[in-house]
Amino acid sequence: QQQVKQSPQSLIVQKGGIPIINCAYENTAFDYFPWYQQFPGKGPALLIAIRPDVSEKKEGRFTISFNKSAKQFSLHIMDSQPGDSATYFCAASIESGSRLTFGEGTQLTVNP
Amino acid sequence: DGGITQSPKYLFRKEGQNVTLSCEQNLNHDAMYWYRQDPGQGLRLIYYSQIVNDFQKGDIAEGYSVSREKKESFPLTVTSAQKNPTAFYLCASSPLAGRNEQFFGPGTRLTVL
Repeated sequence: QQQVKQSPQSLIVQKGGIPIINCAYENTAFDYFPWYQQFPGKGPALLIAIRPDVSEKKEGRFTISFNKSAKQFSLHIMDSQPGDSATYFCAASIESGSRLTFGEGTQLTVNP
Repeated sequence: DGGITQSPKYLFRKEGQNVTLSCEQNLNHDAMYWYRQDPGQGLRLIYYSQIVNDFQKGDIAEGYSVSREKKESFPLTVTSAQKNPTAFYLCASSPLAGRNEQFFGPGTRLTVL
């Protein structure tokens, strides 16, 4: 019940395309859903996060869509750029708790 | 300059030797975490600590040990009991009080020869 399933494992798009990365969870107690971006050899950095009281959140070119009934959430990257090429991780936690459960990661490549 | 520092960036050790990875933060965060990252497996939690002198096992604690004697420091020891220690190790911290945003250090790549 603590798992977070992420797909696809890898994704290749052309510059300007809109890559979509999906995550699904089982634990209905989760109430905090962040996305992290990681470049090779670096630590992950928080990109954007959502709580289940909203269905969508936008920050610049990054959008999280959240479907509480389906227990799914996704990351959309608008007008993707080669600099967005990185590994993206979704995660989930209970706000009052202290542990994040991470998805397996998606390696995104944006070709010029 | 606030943040999380991990040292060294690269570490090589012979099989059977214990090795300690350093993690220091000057963010005044209460909680600290250690993760292991392997290709295609995401981040797996090794240990975490919410307060000084207290820590809890994560999902893959076997073969690892930690200490939390100071708020800003959370060293991880990879012992000889860890069967496959070669990996990328990440330290993170977060403020408590209902916030779960975690900030990560740059990582240490450990290679056991």
